[in-house]
Amino acid sequence: QQPVQSPQAVILREGEDAVINCSSSKALYSVHWYRQKHGEAPVFLMILLKGGEQKGHEKISASFNEKKQQSSLYLTASQLSYSGTYFCGTVHAGGTSYGKLTFGQGTILTVHP
Amino acid sequence: GAVVSQHPSWVICKSGTSVKIECRSLDFQATTMFWYRQFPKQSLMLMATSNEGSKATYEQGVEKDKFLINHASLTLSTLTVTSAHPEDSSFYICSATKVSTVTNEKLFFGSGTQLSVL
Repeated sequence: QQPVQSPQAVILREGEDAVINCSSSKALYSVHWYRQKHGEAPVFLMILLKGGEQKGHEKISASFNEKKQQSSLYLTASQLSYSGTYFCGTVHAGGTSYGKLTFGQGTILTVHP
Repeated sequence: GAVVSQHPSWVICKSGTSVKIECRSLDFQATTMFWYRQFPKQSLMLMATSNEGSKATYEQGVEKDKFLINHASLTLSTLTVTSAHPEDSSFYICSATKVSTVTNEKLFFGSGTQLSVL
């Protein structure tokens, strides 16, 4: 089951903040966040495993809600280099999807000077 | 950090021909490799999961006879698009992990292969 990301696209000026959400209808084992620039491979940002967990750096962080069905990626004081498409990838807690990463549809982030 | 090399980066072929894409883990043993397909401005869609020495597991709707996957060693997996047609044109990207299932381990992605079928 593909997770749902929102918004589909975000346009920011340098220094502004953004939040990208990732939701699943079922409980997840883990959530992964990746960023992809056009024509390049996705680059790993972080993994969240525990309900209620928050992790990340000062300017890029993420949370995983207690029910483990939603994650949010926080980008603060955005830089031009943050531009790209952000994907969340989810691993379900069981069933045939266990052990496989299923990606959301992506959120296109554009940062302008 | 772990590096995954994918080759070729670009390939243009005639309709009806077969194309082979290689994915190598350069500095680690990849227990599991995944093959994804990505259309422009869309998500990465998992095609199949391959484990070294065993048959690949294909996702629903992916033709295993058309997309042949071989994982002959812990460092090499290949995807062969057989009898390619224009609708097979896409960005194909492999990824590898050091463990047998993706749970709390990150994926290492290759740089992708843009396939154009004329």
